[in-house]
Amino acid sequence: EVQLLESGGDLVPPGGSLRLSCAASGFTFAAYPMSWVRQAPGKGLEWLSVISGSYNKIHYAESVKGRFTVSRDNSRNTLYLQMNALGAADTAVYYCARASLFLSEAPLDFWGQGTLVTVSS
Amino acid sequence: DIVMTQSPDSLAVSLGERATFNCKSGQSVFFPSNNKNYVAWYQKKPGQPPKLLISWASIRESGVPDRFSGSGSGTDFTLTISSLQAEDVAVYYCQQYYTLPLTFGGGTKVEIK
Repeated sequence: EVQLLESGGDLVPPGGSLRLSCAASGFTFAAYPMSWVRQAPGKGLEWLSVISGSYNKIHYAESVKGRFTVSRDNSRNTLYLQMNALGAADTAVYYCARASLFLSEAPLDFWGQGTLVTVSS
Repeated sequence: DIVMTQSPDSLAVSLGERATFNCKSGQSVFFPSNNKNYVAWYQKKPGQPPKLLISWASIRESGVPDRFSGSGSGTDFTLTISSLQAEDVAVYYCQQYYTLPLTFGGGTKVEIK
């Protein structure tokens, strides 16, 4: 059974940093691109970033480029999102999600339950 | 970036009736070499992660009830629920995966009339 479990969400002051993790199980993690998607309170889904299985393709949404860094450790079956220079607009539930194909450009077929990041003083 | 525009923002439908909502992409997401449209539909309920319902504009995921169907090509796409059930109350999002960045529509909220 495919499982994705995010962790690391917290209350952080404006300008602060946070690292989210996503532990994967039930599939060959290294074979699949993985994305981060967020949903701010009362808002829609916003795709943030994708990293290919072999690390050689990484892409970010403009809204987080230069502030967020996606990485993965295939030996630990874990995906990460390092978030810096956080602002109130970054307050959201953050989801990790698996690409349904061995391509970064693919539907997202499995999602974690999400982790809440709140940016506030 | 490919902008995905959904309409309406919300929709109230009686139980058992048909619900239809639309998604328009800012440019074609049809790839002629494989004859596929790179659009997916997701269902999002409060407190739950999104659930992939349909990919390639019209292919239902395993386990998705057949009352859900997707159609369209090029830039215009539709998700139809043929007979609305109480458990279908949710927000529905379209997404293009033709190119990066992946982009979602703003969502359509479906409620019971």
